[in-house]
Amino acid sequence: EDKVVQSPLSLVVHEGDTVTLNCSYEVTNFRSLLWYKQEKKAPTFLFMLTSSGIEKKSGRLSSILDKKELSSILNITATQTGDSAIYLCAVNNAGNMLTFGGGTRLMVKP
Amino acid sequence: EAGVTQSPTHLIKTRGQQATLRCSPISGHTSVYWYQQALGLGLQFLLWYDEGEERNRGNFPPRFSGRQFPNYSSELNVNALELEDSALYLCASSLFRWGNTEAFFGQGTRLTVV
Repeated sequence: EDKVVQSPLSLVVHEGDTVTLNCSYEVTNFRSLLWYKQEKKAPTFLFMLTSSGIEKKSGRLSSILDKKELSSILNITATQTGDSAIYLCAVNNAGNMLTFGGGTRLMVKP
Repeated sequence: EAGVTQSPTHLIKTRGQQATLRCSPISGHTSVYWYQQALGLGLQFLLWYDEGEERNRGNFPPRFSGRQFPNYSSELNVNALELEDSALYLCASSLFRWGNTEAFFGQGTRLTVV
């Protein structure tokens, strides 16, 4: 059974801090890893990672995949209160099924 | 372009009743996924439909069922509702069945069983 574990479970930081969220996985026939941000209801897509060692970047957010360590990190620099959300990691297997981790709840205080 | 749309937004049912939730994928997307997110918990995979067929289902009892229509929209049916079925039900769609494409989510249906 595919498994995705995220850490930490929750995190409280102040505006301007840098945070690193972790995702580790065990999946049969790995295809890709995805990061989502969930603020109220619908998770919104952030990144999809398929190749090890290639950083994907969007503004203050960046992510990288390590296939050897079966893990990925999501970095957020110069955090803002608007970054407060649950960050979800998911892995896609060859069967095209997305398995989600439990999420990391990030709170950014002013 | 319209995103994934789900209806209704909220649904209140009593224990033992049936609930029907609907999802319209992004135009051109053939795969539809259903997830349950109970309060404080992560997303639990329910069902995956592609090209009108059920491709996979998660560890949920048979009273959770669904279907996908020829226009790729989908229904999730939950029979004999139990209190613990109260959750946010999210639908997502993706473009290619076997490709590396991201899934986009709808706003969800908040089901409350009383």
